[in-house]
Amino acid sequence: KNEVEQSPQNLTAQEGEFITINCSYSVGISALHWLQQHPGGGIVSLFMLSSGKKKHGRLIATINIQEKHSSLHITASHPRDSAVYICAVPTGNQFYFGTGTSLTVIP
Amino acid sequence: DGGITQSPKYLFRKEGQNVTLSCEQNLNHDAMYWYRQDPGQGLRLIYYSQIVNDFQKGDIAEGYSVSREKKESFPLTVTSAQKNPTAFYLCASSTLAGKYNEQFFGPGTRLTVL
Repeated sequence: KNEVEQSPQNLTAQEGEFITINCSYSVGISALHWLQQHPGGGIVSLFMLSSGKKKHGRLIATINIQEKHSSLHITASHPRDSAVYICAVPTGNQFYFGTGTSLTVIP
Repeated sequence: DGGITQSPKYLFRKEGQNVTLSCEQNLNHDAMYWYRQDPGQGLRLIYYSQIVNDFQKGDIAEGYSVSREKKESFPLTVTSAQKNPTAFYLCASSTLAGKYNEQFFGPGTRLTVL
């Protein structure tokens, strides 16, 4: 049983396209995290949000607590956005992670 | 600069050998975590520690051991009892204060058993 489900698993886009990655979760949470993992393996935190929407540059994250769903959008995608995007939900003393969405943006 | 360091970046081990992965943080975080990442799977928690000299098993602790003698350090030993240790290992830390505990990750160690 996966507490966190992401879709799609893989995504290929042309440069400039608008991208949406979805995350659904089954546990009660106080906040949801979006992470980015680069090809070298390092992970950076993109967003931590508990309600509504957050924007950082070309990245937008939204969350609907009632529906237990979050989306990560990338506007005007660029090849440097190619990475694995992971959503994570904290519960108790642990985090549960989605399996990630592997994004490739083609020039 | 504040952050988390892991060493080595790549590690090769022969079957039957124990190996220790290093994780150090200078963020003054109370909590530290070890995760394992395999292709096609989400990060899975091996062990975590919220305070010095205390740690808890995660979902896949069998074949691993940890220690937390200092706040800054949380080394992970992969023992010969771990049947399939080849994987990417990530260390993370977070504060415990507040409601939303953002995790900060190290660069990872890729372990290969030969």
